[in-house]
Amino acid sequence: GENVEQHPSTLSVQEGDSAVIKCTYSDSASNYFPWYKQELGKRPQLIIDIRSNVGEKKDQRIAVTLNKTAKHFSLHITETQPEDSAVYFCAASTTGGGADGLTFGKGTHLIIQP
Amino acid sequence: EAGVAQSPRYKIIEKRQSVAFWCNPISGHATLYWYQQILGQGPKLLIQFQNNGVVDDSQLPKDRFSAERLKGVDSTLKIQPAKLEDSAVYLCASSFPQETQYFGPGTRLLVL
Repeated sequence: GENVEQHPSTLSVQEGDSAVIKCTYSDSASNYFPWYKQELGKRPQLIIDIRSNVGEKKDQRIAVTLNKTAKHFSLHITETQPEDSAVYFCAASTTGGGADGLTFGKGTHLIIQP
Repeated sequence: EAGVAQSPRYKIIEKRQSVAFWCNPISGHATLYWYQQILGQGPKLLIQFQNNGVVDDSQLPKDRFSAERLKGVDSTLKIQPAKLEDSAVYLCASSFPQETQYFGPGTRLLVL
C-alpha cells in the first residue's frame, strides 16, 4: 500500500517569513495530493490540492509543488500570519479506480512566532 | 450548504464495552469514508463506501469493527468489544466520486 512521509514534524517560523513542508510518497500510481489544515480539536480542512497532471498550483499565499519523478510534493506558505499556526497534513490517493481513500502523513505542527 | 454531521461528539466507555458512531454526509455525496485519528497522528482510513456498497475495508479490524450504510446516505461505525488502543477521534468524510473529501467534526472516543 501507499506510504507517505512528512517532514518536519515541527516547524517554527517568524511571522512574515515563509514556511515549507515536504512530503514523499511510495506508490507511483498515486495521482491526487491534498493538504489539510487541522486546528486543535477541530476537523481537517482542505487548503489546497494538486493532481499529477500539474506541477505547481498557487492560491494567494499558499502554493504546492509536485515532482512525480522523485515522488515528492511540498507546501509553501508565504508571509505567514498567526492564524496559520496549526497542524498541516499531506495526503495521497489514487483516483479513477474506485478506492480513493487518503493516506496521510504524520503531520507538521507549524508555529508562527510573533 | 450543510457539512458532514457526526454524533456523538464525545464518548467515554470501559474496555470490552460496545460503542456506535453515526455520520450524515453532505447531501448528494455518494462516497463516504471513516477514518481513525490517534492523538498526534494523521487520519487512517478504516472503510470507504460508494452508495451502500463497500469499496475498501482493507484496514478495518473486522474482528471488532463493523460499519454499514444501508440506504446509501447515513452510516454507522461500531466497535465491539472496545480496547484501550481504540481511543481516538473517529472522523467521517464524504465526497462526490473522485472529488474533494470533506470531514465532519469527529467523535472523540476514550476507552478506560
